[in-house]
Amino acid sequence: NAGVTQTPKFRILKIGQSMTLQCTQDMNHNYMYWYRQDPGMGLKLIYYSVGAGITDKGEVPNGYNVSRSTTEDFPLRLELAAPSQTSVYFCASTTGFSYNEQFFGPGTRLTVL
Amino acid sequence: QKEVEQDPGPLSVPEGAIVSLNCTYSNSAFQYFMWYRQYSRKGPELLMYTYSSGNKEDGRFTAQVDKSSKYISLFIRDSQPSDSATYLCAFVQGAQKLVFGQGTRLTINP
Repeated sequence: NAGVTQTPKFRILKIGQSMTLQCTQDMNHNYMYWYRQDPGMGLKLIYYSVGAGITDKGEVPNGYNVSRSTTEDFPLRLELAAPSQTSVYFCASTTGFSYNEQFFGPGTRLTVL
Repeated sequence: QKEVEQDPGPLSVPEGAIVSLNCTYSNSAFQYFMWYRQYSRKGPELLMYTYSSGNKEDGRFTAQVDKSSKYISLFIRDSQPSDSATYLCAFVQGAQKLVFGQGTRLTINP
């Protein structure tokens, strides 16, 4: 199993550009999450999904959109990139049972200039 | 008041020392208490979890929870340079979400 994979690893965007961060998991997990991590900070939840076709906002959803058409994929869309979106983005997944161990991808480092 | 408070450090100790990492929380509804370890430029990975007050040991690591004080700790015995990482406390909120602390950056010096 590859676990949770994310692409791209790095990206530089100009202000106002758009992009999609890709996330795929091969563990048949129902729950998937997008977090951002700013330097020296913890993880803040952007969006999450409890199954295909079902998404919900987290703590910091503004400026982002998500979709979940399959169990495996959970892309994150950035529209009109702003410097405040410079961060490391992590995708995670879990079965959703009991203590909810989340399995994280390697992250995407995004810089908006 | 923040829902979770964690000293960001950085914390630097010599190899072999006992390390104590701590978090306080304010939400009584938190059910499970977890510690994630994050190496530089990697995603976090679960280190330990517990759901009740008391201690839980796993090798050199001990997780401690005091629900009455809303305080959790992670102790690392005989610390090794390979333990150098950021340690994040995390709490299960409802059935679906985790709330993370800020993370403490730890360096073990050989």
